[in-house]
This record gives sequence, C-alpha cells and structure tokens, in this order.
Amino acid sequence: EAQVTQNPRYLITVTGKKLTVTCSQNMNHEYMSWYRQDPGLGLRQIYYSMNVEVTDKGDVPEGYKVSRKEKRNFPLILESPSPNQTSLYFCASTRGVEQFFGPGTRLTVL
Amino acid sequence: QQQVKQSPQSLIVQKGGISIINCAYENTAFDYFPWYQQFPGKGPALLIAIRPDVSEKKEGRFTISFNKSAKQFSLHIMDSQPGDSATYFCAASKRGSTLGRLYFGRGTQLTVWP
Repeated sequence: EAQVTQNPRYLITVTGKKLTVTCSQNMNHEYMSWYRQDPGLGLRQIYYSMNVEVTDKGDVPEGYKVSRKEKRNFPLILESPSPNQTSLYFCASTRGVEQFFGPGTRLTVL
Repeated sequence: QQQVKQSPQSLIVQKGGISIINCAYENTAFDYFPWYQQFPGKGPALLIAIRPDVSEKKEGRFTISFNKSAKQFSLHIMDSQPGDSATYFCAASKRGSTLGRLYFGRGTQLTVWP
C-alpha cells in the first residue's frame, strides 16, 4: 500500500530535550515536505526536500532541522524544543502536484 | 504574508444544504488550485483540483468555481452530508517553481448537522 508513515504519532517532551520525528514514504517520490498545523493558522511549511541531499527552508524553519540521506526518509529534528513548537506535524511526499500526507505527529513541549 | 486567503474559518450547514468556502490569491503565477479535505486524526487528502483554463470543475457533489479575473476560487458542496464534516484547505501552486510547493489557506472547519 502506498503510504507516508510518521513516528511517533504522539510525543510529550520537555524544553531543550532533542527529538527526532521520522517520516518515510514507499512511493519513490523525490519531493518531500514537513508542515506544522496550528488552530487558525492552517498548514505552514517548515522545510522541503527536492531530492537526496537537497533541502531548503519553507515558511517557518526556525528551530528545526532536516536531513535527506535516503530518498524514502525525511526526518524532522528539533535540537532544543521550546513550548512554541507544540503543534501537529505532518510529513508529505509529492507526485506531480498532488501531496500525500502522513497521519500526523502531535507534539507537546512542556 | 498569506499567499492564499480562505473564508470562512468555520461553517455550520444543515444536512442537504449547500456548503460554500471561498479563497482568494494575489500571485498571478499560480496555475494549480487544489482543495484538501482533512478528517479528525488524519492527514489532509486531495479532494478536487482545478487549473485556470476552466471556470468550473465538478466531481460528484463537489464543485470548484474559478474566477481568474477576480483571482478567486470556491468550493461548493451540494447536498451536504454529516460525513462531509471535516476541515477543508484551499491551496495554490505555480508551474515552474519548486515542484510540489503548495501554499495553503488557513482552513475552514465544516460541520454538517443531521
């Protein structure tokens, strides 16, 4: 089954404790993105990647890092999480102009 | 700066009624306008999309109306059903730019009462 998977689905952590949210797709897509979704603000792009080793900032990149060492994986790294990064995070991969979203990761930073 | 403006933020419609969600954009380079549907606990999924060479696209009960001169497009849900209750996002992208880069509206939470 074609899909985008994210782990973990839920995470509660404390300020400053580094964390990684994994994202994997099995559709051989080159373009992948990370979004955060906040009430009233919609979906805002954090980072995107056009292919292996090619990444760039989206609209809200501050406080986040990404890497793309393999085509299928695109992890999101929060090296020193802060409470304002409490949000719902989505990974997406793209075929043409259609984006396929993962199930989301709900992150709470205390 | 919000590239795509969406309204209303929330919408309550009675079963069988018509739901209408509006979006507006400024960038004339946009040439692809999708709508995504998101159910609680799920990621958004493509619902329907339109390109500016047509003024309307219909798929079942869902219709996109597109007004190029006004730089506006809207989603109409006919005979709305409780199962349509979800958050809807409009979006836009431009040909020739970074492949797959979508600019989303802020979303509309639709509730359809039985």
